[in-house]
Amino acid sequence: AQKITQTQPGMFVQEKEAVTLDCTYDTSDQSYGLFWYKQPSSGEMIFLIYQGSYDEQNATEGRYSLNFQKARKSANLVISASQLGDSAMYFCAMREGLYTGTASKLTFGTGTRLQVTL
Amino acid sequence: DGGITQSPKYLFRKEGQNVTLSCEQNLNHDAMYWYRQDPGQGLRLIYYSQIVNDFQKGDIAEGYSVSREKKESFPLTVTSAQKNPTAFYLCASSTRLVETQYFGPGTRLLVL
Repeated sequence: AQKITQTQPGMFVQEKEAVTLDCTYDTSDQSYGLFWYKQPSSGEMIFLIYQGSYDEQNATEGRYSLNFQKARKSANLVISASQLGDSAMYFCAMREGLYTGTASKLTFGTGTRLQVTL
Repeated sequence: DGGITQSPKYLFRKEGQNVTLSCEQNLNHDAMYWYRQDPGQGLRLIYYSQIVNDFQKGDIAEGYSVSREKKESFPLTVTSAQKNPTAFYLCASSTRLVETQYFGPGTRLLVL
């Protein structure tokens, strides 16, 4: 089974509107971390936001927020007030198990391509 | 400026040839990682290193080798045993205190 599932291959949103990118995950661990990255056409992966499994509040970073629903195993990314520069691929990733302060192995989803239109 | 550099941006490999991709970071990060990305796919972990002179295989290590002789450097060699090397290769690093991985600009490897 896929550990990270992103069911939306592509999404369109109008400038200044909000958009939600879906991510569901599969793990039996109680401790895990969830990440969202943005990949523009240049290829570099840009870190956006992180949510730990024990965090009670949804993570927020500027226009990005993570809608974390633990019971549903979903970690959707919400981008508010979309801008043309938000057009990119977006990847959800998960670290399973407790982070022990060394290296962190991530599993990535297949991504969602977001296109922001005028 | 602190960051991660990867070179070259594009690399061409002939059949039967080994090629080495460079990854350097000046962030003083302890851990470094190599990922492979195929078109329309997410990233898959090739190798990672927690400290100097130590590294572990990721999910798709076959046909690849790495070394970690210096904290700043984590080169990846794509050997002739890797039969389908055409892909986009991304290097990343992270600290002990904050597990978030930060990525370099990537190297695109093409087979001639």
